[in-house]
Parts: sequence; structure tokens; C-alpha cells
Amino acid sequence: DAMVIQNPRYQVTQFGKPVTLSCSQTLNHNVMYWYQQKSSQAPKLLFHYYDKDFNNEADTPDNFQSRRPNTSFCFLDIRSPGLGDAAMYLCATARNQGQAGGYFGAGTRLSVL
Amino acid sequence: QKEVEQNSGPLSVPEGAIASLNCTYSDRVSQSFFWYRQYSGKSPELIMSIYSNGDKEDGRFTAQLNKASQYVSLLIRDSQPSDSATYLCAVRRSGGGADGLTFGKGTHLIIQP
Repeated sequence: DAMVIQNPRYQVTQFGKPVTLSCSQTLNHNVMYWYQQKSSQAPKLLFHYYDKDFNNEADTPDNFQSRRPNTSFCFLDIRSPGLGDAAMYLCATARNQGQAGGYFGAGTRLSVL
Repeated sequence: QKEVEQNSGPLSVPEGAIASLNCTYSDRVSQSFFWYRQYSGKSPELIMSIYSNGDKEDGRFTAQLNKASQYVSLLIRDSQPSDSATYLCAVRRSGGGADGLTFGKGTHLIIQP
């Protein structure tokens, strides 16, 4: 059974139209991460939550926001998607900080028209 | 900027041979290292983790770590066509509140039947 679930698997949005990607986990892990992976590039960490503490990477654009209403769910909001935001968005979890490495969701492929 | 470097390939290996994948990293204090397999359009799948200098074997896979040289490698014995994928090297981030993984761009491996 999938332990890190991302919805939807494929998302098409229009240039400038806000979009939300969802991640849920059944592992009861304290840490949730969002990575962005563009074609033929390395996954790049956007931000992570340790419990309710939000940690933004210095070079993550302001256009990207995140919410974690409870332990199980984490959302990635893209306020005004541009063509350059088309990518695979990967959610991952870890039991605690400093334990990253292991549980990735299937990803959401975002297309921007 | 702490980096992880991999040869992007493609690396072409005959079926049944040993595939050797290499990775270097820049952060000397890194302690945890991972190899992921990523099929086209899919999310990364963890295949090996290594934390101590030396070799770690799991089935057909062997990870090798040399912290003095800041070098990690992955050997795949008896390569199969199903091993054809992109292999991502990742280093766990640490220090200064950092968390998550820094990935290399990956090596595209092709196993020729």
C-alpha cells in the first residue's frame, strides 16, 4: 500500500492560474518535504515542515507556498504558475529531522499552458 | 553551494556485465549517502543507503563510500535490461538547520540486451 500519496498525478493549469498539489502520508512521520524536478535535472528541495515548523529554502521563489494543516497532509500552492514552473513535484517524508532519505510519493507532473 | 556531481551519461553496458556508477560530493562533513533509481516519468526509488567507509552489498547492488576522497559509487552486477534507468546520487544535508537531500543530476544507464 502506498505510504506517501500525491494527488493528482497529473495537473494541467493555465499560466497565472493558482494551483494546489496535495500530499498525504500514513507513516505518521514528523517531517514532510517538497522537491521540484525539472526535465533531466536533479530534484531540488523547495521547503520542508518539521511538525508545524516551516523551513523555506533561500532560493525558493515567493510564488511557492506550503501548508501543513495536520501531520498527515501537506499542500504545495503555486500562486501564479509560469511556464518555468512546469515540472515533477515530489513529496517525501522522514520520521524526524536529520533522517531524510527513503519515502517518496509517486509525484505530480505539472504542465502549464 | 554544496554540490553532488555525477556523469550524466548515457552509460551503456551489455546485459550480464557490471555497471559502475560514480558520484562526488563537495560537503566534507556529509555523513549519509543514498542511491535512487528513477524510471522515466516516475519518482525516485531508494535502492541503497551507505553511512560508513567501505562497501555495502544488497543483492546485485554494492555501494562504496570513500569519505576521504568524497566519493560514492554504485556497482550493479549481472545487469538486466530492467536496470535501465537514471540513477540519482543523494547526500543528506546537515548543519545550520538544513534538512532533506541534495541530489546529483543522475546517470542515465542503458543495459543492452
